[in-house]
Amino acid sequence: NAGVMQNPRHLVRRRGQEARLRCSPVKGHSHVYWYRQLPEEGLKFMVYLQKENIIDESGMPKERFSAEFPKEGPSILRIQQVVRGDSAAYFCASSPRTGSTEAFFGQGTRLTVV
Amino acid sequence: SQQGEEDPQALSIQEGENATMNCSYKTSINNLQWYRQNSGRGLVHLILIRSNEREKHSGRLRVTLDTSKKSSSLLITASRAADTASYFCATDDYGQNFVFGPGTRLSVLP
Repeated sequence: NAGVMQNPRHLVRRRGQEARLRCSPVKGHSHVYWYRQLPEEGLKFMVYLQKENIIDESGMPKERFSAEFPKEGPSILRIQQVVRGDSAAYFCASSPRTGSTEAFFGQGTRLTVV
Repeated sequence: SQQGEEDPQALSIQEGENATMNCSYKTSINNLQWYRQNSGRGLVHLILIRSNEREKHSGRLRVTLDTSKKSSSLLITASRAADTASYFCATDDYGQNFVFGPGTRLSVLP
């Protein structure tokens, strides 16, 4: 968990609102992964981004979910019109470069939809 | 220090040898999970072991859990070059926290 910052740590949203989850990678890392974890389940891959590019979004729901990793600033996972089923912990990890197996994880954002 | 710390941090072995990685944690857990991170890809979930289990097998993988010592080990038998990756343990303390360790980087040399 060396340096990956996720905020907020806890987020409560009412159904229909938007949720924005932020991930600041380790300084100098240009690769970010987002995962979702449902209670008592393993992590499920959502999306893999490099600066300004989405490399693999095969795990992202087709609707309401989007992610970006701009040239400047944190990576954002955005969930529009949240539903109860979106309640989960969302983790991001950063990696330094293409070809690296290293990954550093944030502490996660726990989203609760009420 | 953090929950879920793996050791060693890095491990190099020859193909065909066994690789053992360890994970220690601090609080009570509901389950412990092992993951693999290949380069350029997301995590792959390998195995989940619950707090009331002591050992689980999956193919060439064997995971043990010792709750009295708050530790787990992952054994990969007959390693292959394709096993080269980082391996992470993550602990789940009844849904309140899910925490990853820093990982063990395994290199399997042909």
